[in-house]
Amino acid sequence: AQKITQTQPGMFVQEKEAVTLDCTYDTSDQSYGLFWYKQPSSGEMIFLIYQGSYDEQNATEGRYSLNFQKARKSANLVISASQLGDSAMYFCAMREGELTGGGNKLTFGTGTQLKVEL
Amino acid sequence: DTGVSQNPRHKITKRGQNVTFRCDPISEHNRLYWYRQTLGQGPEFLTYFQNEAQLEKSRLLSDRFSAERPKGSFSTLEIQRTEQGDSAMYLCASSFRSDEQYFGPGTRLTVT
Repeated sequence: AQKITQTQPGMFVQEKEAVTLDCTYDTSDQSYGLFWYKQPSSGEMIFLIYQGSYDEQNATEGRYSLNFQKARKSANLVISASQLGDSAMYFCAMREGELTGGGNKLTFGTGTQLKVEL
Repeated sequence: DTGVSQNPRHKITKRGQNVTFRCDPISEHNRLYWYRQTLGQGPEFLTYFQNEAQLEKSRLLSDRFSAERPKGSFSTLEIQRTEQGDSAMYLCASSFRSDEQYFGPGTRLTVT
């Protein structure tokens, strides 16, 4: 079974609008972390935001926020006030075993290609 | 530049040749990771070091692959007897303990 599912292969958004990129996950661990990374065409993975499964508040970092719904096992990324430079591939990732010392490797989804239009 | 660096950025090799990639992590980071990314997919975990100790290896890492991190600083990933299926982007990341991982620009390998 897929551990991380990103069902939107591509998304379009108008500049200055908000956009939500979907991510659902599957784990039996009680402690895990969820990450979003941005990968521009240059190829480098850029860390955006982190949410721990034990965090009560949704994470926010500038224009990025994570809509974490634990019961639904979803961790959607919301980008507010989109900019042309936001055009990139976005990956959701999970790290299991956060509090038991097993939290090392990241498991990634297949990504969503976001295109910001004028 | 104090980010993660990888060399070379691109490598073209013939099937059957050996290749070696290098990763220099962020200096204070004690953990180093290797991932492989094929076209249209997210990165897949290959192996992980804490200081100089290799603590986890994916089953993706066949016997032809070997990674080292001597003295807990830079790391090398070697692929012996390359196959066309090894063509991919090889990404290195580093972190301080279990903090977020910072990725390098990757090495794109093409096996002809």
